[in-house]
Amino acid sequence: GAVVSQHPSWVICKSGTSVKIECRSLDFQATTMFWYRQFPKQSLMLMATSNEGSKATYEQGVEKDKFLINHASLTLSTLTVTSAHPEDSSFYICSARDRTANYGYTFGSGTRLTVV
Amino acid sequence: AQTVTQSQPEMSVQEAETVTLSCTYDTSESDYYLFWYKQPPSRQMILVIRQEAYKQQNATENRFSVNFQKAAKSFSLKISDSQLGDAAMYFCAYRSAGGKLIFGQGTTLQVKP
Repeated sequence: GAVVSQHPSWVICKSGTSVKIECRSLDFQATTMFWYRQFPKQSLMLMATSNEGSKATYEQGVEKDKFLINHASLTLSTLTVTSAHPEDSSFYICSARDRTANYGYTFGSGTRLTVV
Repeated sequence: AQTVTQSQPEMSVQEAETVTLSCTYDTSESDYYLFWYKQPPSRQMILVIRQEAYKQQNATENRFSVNFQKAAKSFSLKISDSQLGDAAMYFCAYRSAGGKLIFGQGTTLQVKP
């Protein structure tokens, strides 16, 4: 079945640095990628939607200058957390829509970000 | 805007028994999709079942079935013959016309041996 590879699975970074998270669709073309943030034992909150070759659409309240999303190809989308702070520590998950699977959603395995 | 509500933060079921997880949603759209996802401790999201709103027949996948009440905007998940591996957090989700998935708050299911 469709697979989305998300890396890294966990990362620890110092406050003020930037971190990049990658999501790659391995066997299908992901025209649309969604990025979520999840706090422990809470729901997935949609941060932004990215379409290949165009600017991402951010949800209300999400700082687009802090969470930079790039979807330069049909198989790769990246989320960069810029100037990270401890409050950015969270679990980030990507999800891609697969046209070949009736637009089903395939999720990455998530990235646990800890900012110290 | 669409909303999804799961009013049961935690549920518990005895192994081999049946449990029902509740979900309600609010929307003005007439055509949409509803999903139940499972998130085990690994935190990998796993699709459990999906329902197209235009279909009156309730979806079924092996031990998992839904009770879809469109007029009441209710979409509950029934797990039959519960197994230890069913223990996880379950999320109800709504797919809007724009393709975004909107998740409920989640229900943590505990399966007792």
